[in-house]
Amino acid sequence: GEDVEQSLFLSVREGDSSVINCTYTDSSSTYLYWYKQEPGAGLQLLTYIFSNMDMKQDQRLTVLLNKKDKHLSLRIADTQTGDSAIYFCAERSDYKLSFGAGTTVTVRA
Amino acid sequence: EAGVAQSPRYKIIEKRQSVAFWCNPISGHATLYWYQQILGQGPKLLIQFQNNGVVDDSQLPKDRFSAERLKGVDSTLKIQPAKLEDSAVYLCASSYPRVAGHQETQYFGPGTRLLVL
Repeated sequence: GEDVEQSLFLSVREGDSSVINCTYTDSSSTYLYWYKQEPGAGLQLLTYIFSNMDMKQDQRLTVLLNKKDKHLSLRIADTQTGDSAIYFCAERSDYKLSFGAGTTVTVRA
Repeated sequence: EAGVAQSPRYKIIEKRQSVAFWCNPISGHATLYWYQQILGQGPKLLIQFQNNGVVDDSQLPKDRFSAERLKGVDSTLKIQPAKLEDSAVYLCASSYPRVAGHQETQYFGPGTRLLVL
């Protein structure tokens, strides 16, 4: 959506870390989400962060939130070929999710 | 736990024809959503149901799109008549009943890919 912006493409070497960035505009967002979409499949929730937190770690995933700058990032450690997909950032306000256009992550050997 | 089911997975129609999509949410999920995902874009909410009532249909093009969830479980989304710009993936999602202030995960189905020629 127009209120959530992401870079369109990211290429990363297998084993390196990936960082996907997202900016949003709604300061009343309560939760922010990262979804993964593989070819031909629906969206799979990867992780989420509450707006009063600034970091959340879940195994290989680290989410950083800068609420002042309305900037969200997702770091994937030790990126694998199975991480190749489209990653969507989404913000939730007033029970509604607004999605970015998605970042296509390509993992090269 | 079975996920959100959608059918058909693919549909090709000509413009001005009608089409219907079906969604069966996860058992016990009171909230059901229909999204439209145009190629290269993120999903856009079309309509949200809470049980069999409409919560938000502000983004639904009501001149051609309709949706219902008569018994508060399955839902159908219809387009009549279809236009070329309706070519997209139509995603259904469901979630547990809302609790104010609490996180609510939406679980997505695989989507129906519609091509309008």
